[in-house]
Amino acid sequence: QKEVEQNSGPLSVPEGAIASLNCTYSDRVSQSFFWYRQYSGKSPELIMSIYSNGDKEDGRFTAQLNKASQYVSLLIRDSQPSDSATYLCAVTSTGKLIFGQGTTLQVKP
Amino acid sequence: EADIYQTPRYLVIGTGKKITLECSQTMGHDKMYWYQQDPGMELHLIHYSYGVNSTEKGDLSSESTVSRIRTEHFPLTLESARPSHTSQYLCASSDGSAYGYTFGSGTRLTVV
Repeated sequence: QKEVEQNSGPLSVPEGAIASLNCTYSDRVSQSFFWYRQYSGKSPELIMSIYSNGDKEDGRFTAQLNKASQYVSLLIRDSQPSDSATYLCAVTSTGKLIFGQGTTLQVKP
Repeated sequence: EADIYQTPRYLVIGTGKKITLECSQTMGHDKMYWYQQDPGMELHLIHYSYGVNSTEKGDLSSESTVSRIRTEHFPLTLESARPSHTSQYLCASSDGSAYGYTFGSGTRLTVV
């Protein structure tokens, strides 16, 4: 079992819709959780961090964390074609960040 | 402006050559990391350092080596490049993993 698992997709949504990206992790003691966005050929950029159970909102992005279920998600409201990218979930484990394989999101105009 | 820099951005080199990929950060971060990523694939940690004169191998076995003589500098060296080393190499730094990593722009290496 991988430490951080994501559905590789692609996830396709129409412009203006809500995109929902999911991630599960195996290390119960993980404390910090991150979502990165990576455009093709570019390096990852941090878009959200979350440390406590519940929701955290930042503009069109909402991160959700459920430590009991070892589950973290990212919602993107009013999806735009410019949101088309690979979204990486990352979780702290033994002092390092462990990345999932990423979910490719396609937002169709 | 505080940032993390990688050079070169692109490198095409012949088999058997020695290469060094440069990574420098101006944020004063103690922790630095090297990841390898093939197109469309996962990020794999190959080396990390928690401070000067401290280096560790990551989760993915790599023939590369690293050094950390100065806080701001974390170069990666391949003594004899092979086509199997063709990949993108990403450098990152952090002041503690609880705050996430900042990535450099990457070096895309092609060994012919």
